[in-house]
Amino acid sequence: QSVLTQPPSVSAAPGQKVTFSCSGSSSNIGDKYVSWYQQLPGTAPKLLIYENDKRPSGIPDRFSGSKSGTSATLGITGLQTGDEADYYCGTWDSSLSAGVFGGGTKLTVL
Amino acid sequence: EVQLVESGGGLILPGGSLRLSCAASGFTVSDNYITWVRQAPGKGLEWVSLLQSGGNTYYADSVKGRFTIYRDNSKNTVYLQMSSLRPDDTAVYSCARGRLSREGFDPWGQGTLVTVSS
Repeated sequence: QSVLTQPPSVSAAPGQKVTFSCSGSSSNIGDKYVSWYQQLPGTAPKLLIYENDKRPSGIPDRFSGSKSGTSATLGITGLQTGDEADYYCGTWDSSLSAGVFGGGTKLTVL
Repeated sequence: EVQLVESGGGLILPGGSLRLSCAASGFTVSDNYITWVRQAPGKGLEWVSLLQSGGNTYYADSVKGRFTIYRDNSKNTVYLQMSSLRPDDTAVYSCARGRLSREGFDPWGQGTLVTVSS
């Protein structure tokens, strides 16, 4: 059971918009910045969003992040088949004194 | 190029020990936070251990007392010493640079597979 809660799967059609939710508590998301990662099949995770809503260089503006209270959201617009992957949220938990990830959400682009 | 390369994985008997290496290039490990993350087959990411630039260390409850993270500045390498290994430690172990709740983990290494089985 992951400390951060993510839905197991989402699906959408090419060109559409999709959002991924990540729910936590006051000791993690409520108190710390959130980062998001994309893991394509058979590859290492890739940083998509850091500090809730910042994109590293090279990440297109189709990807966006936000946070409200103890929940965070990743959004992808203009879905492409190449976006099919697992998406993870992560942050620090000050009560556990440990990093925590969500269980991941598998994106299917229909 | 900023890069992390893991090594040291393999097949190990339950109760055994193994040391994983995370060799860095393009940056200095002692100036950065380095974290080990693992992923069991078909499962999600699990945070394992953090070594801060200042030397403080943190561990997941699941590995506390069994795993030790440390670095060799002369080799620009971070290690994960694992002991009392159990079958549920079986996973791909990856290292990453950065702070999960600040600049994020970037880059990640490609990972090394640890299989604990009799």
